[in-house]
Amino acid sequence: DTEVTQTPKHLVMGMTNKKSLKCEQHMGHRAMYWYKQKAKKPPELMFVYSYEKLSINESVPSRFSPECPNSSLLNLHLHALQPEDSALYLCASSQGGNSYNEQFFGPGTRLTVL
Amino acid sequence: AQKITQTQPGMFVQEKEAVTLDCTYDTSDPSYGLFWYKQPSSGEMIFLIYQGSYDQQNATEGRYSLNFQKARKSANLVISASQLGDSAMYFCAMKGSQGNLIFGKGTKLSVKP
Repeated sequence: DTEVTQTPKHLVMGMTNKKSLKCEQHMGHRAMYWYKQKAKKPPELMFVYSYEKLSINESVPSRFSPECPNSSLLNLHLHALQPEDSALYLCASSQGGNSYNEQFFGPGTRLTVL
Repeated sequence: AQKITQTQPGMFVQEKEAVTLDCTYDTSDPSYGLFWYKQPSSGEMIFLIYQGSYDQQNATEGRYSLNFQKARKSANLVISASQLGDSAMYFCAMKGSQGNLIFGKGTKLSVKP
């Protein structure tokens, strides 16, 4: 199984809502990533989990809260988002460590904040 | 710090012809890897090809090949025999210090029938 799954595919939420994005992989990968991608821009790193520990936080606002319940799952909890947070949110996984193995991406969640 | 530069915002190619997408990079690391990803309008990032800095030969994967010129710090993607399904955004990337990918701005490829 070389697939990364993400749910939901689409999400529309108001600025006062609380929602969660989910990501799952069963490739035994030990590193998982959240990227944010605005239209016509490259993906930008938000969070990295390595061996289930948060190892980098690219100064992301606290209204985004990541969680890694186990090595196969990655969540992104959303609260009090702003319209400018509307974007494609991509999850990825890789073997981790110093290997140069490719990252496998999920199909993404298209988020619209009203 | 690593940096990826893609200078072609958009490219057109006739179906069945070959096309080269440019990528230059900058890094002070002696060991590094370069990746190319394809992103169709559906949004998913699809891995295409990888080149390691110490690889002796240019990488190839089916219709994709990588023209790696280390001295020039370039890693251009060559797509042979273009197909309509090749129309997409193409991103060149390299690994950052935390294992994340650092992407260029991308090139939008349009294949004409």
